[in-house]
Amino acid sequence: GAGVSQSPSNKVTEKGKDVELRCDPISGHTALYWYRQSLGQGLEFLIYFQGNSAPDKSGLPSDRFSAERTGGSVSTLTIQRTQQEDSAVYLCASSPQGPSYNEQFFGPGTRLTVL
Amino acid sequence: QQPVQSPQAVILREGEDAVINCSSSKALYSVHWYRQKHGEAPVFLMILLKGGEQKGHEKISASFNEKKQQSSLYLTASQLSYSGTYFCVSQPSRNTDKLIFGTGTRLQVFP
Repeated sequence: GAGVSQSPSNKVTEKGKDVELRCDPISGHTALYWYRQSLGQGLEFLIYFQGNSAPDKSGLPSDRFSAERTGGSVSTLTIQRTQQEDSAVYLCASSPQGPSYNEQFFGPGTRLTVL
Repeated sequence: QQPVQSPQAVILREGEDAVINCSSSKALYSVHWYRQKHGEAPVFLMILLKGGEQKGHEKISASFNEKKQQSSLYLTASQLSYSGTYFCVSQPSRNTDKLIFGTGTRLQVFP
């Protein structure tokens, strides 16, 4: 079956521009996570969606970052007025329910480069 | 808050064993282990939920000591395919689904 997909795979943008990153989770998965991974570093939690509950936004680094999940499926991460320090790989993951009993399935990521 | 892993890097010959440790300064409800190969997304290895629980996955097993807030990953008779960066991931309590990735351990297995 289809796994988690993300688009675009690569995005190069100029400082100050807005970008939108898309995540298509595995069908039926209620939980969706966004992470950021800078070069050679671990994964940094950004935001978490679970079903129809309010998202956990505690990991968003600034108010330039926002995310939404429409219809409990596709999610979009938006970064406004991009900065060079936003350059990283943005990973999306989904799981059947919450993480207590379920593995996360990761997408291939979007590599964002801010010039 | 981020779990600390040790060692930071390990170099092995094929067939050798390794242990990767994960320690949290905060209470742990569950610990997950993931492996990430270079240029790829992390892949799930296992979840440990109970204190003292030990699970296995082929020649990779792990233990979780809830009281000590520690987990260890054991790789036995390592294979070339084990190379990658290993992350422990903590879930601080059952009331939160937020997962926190550890600092990572880079493992390289040579023939």
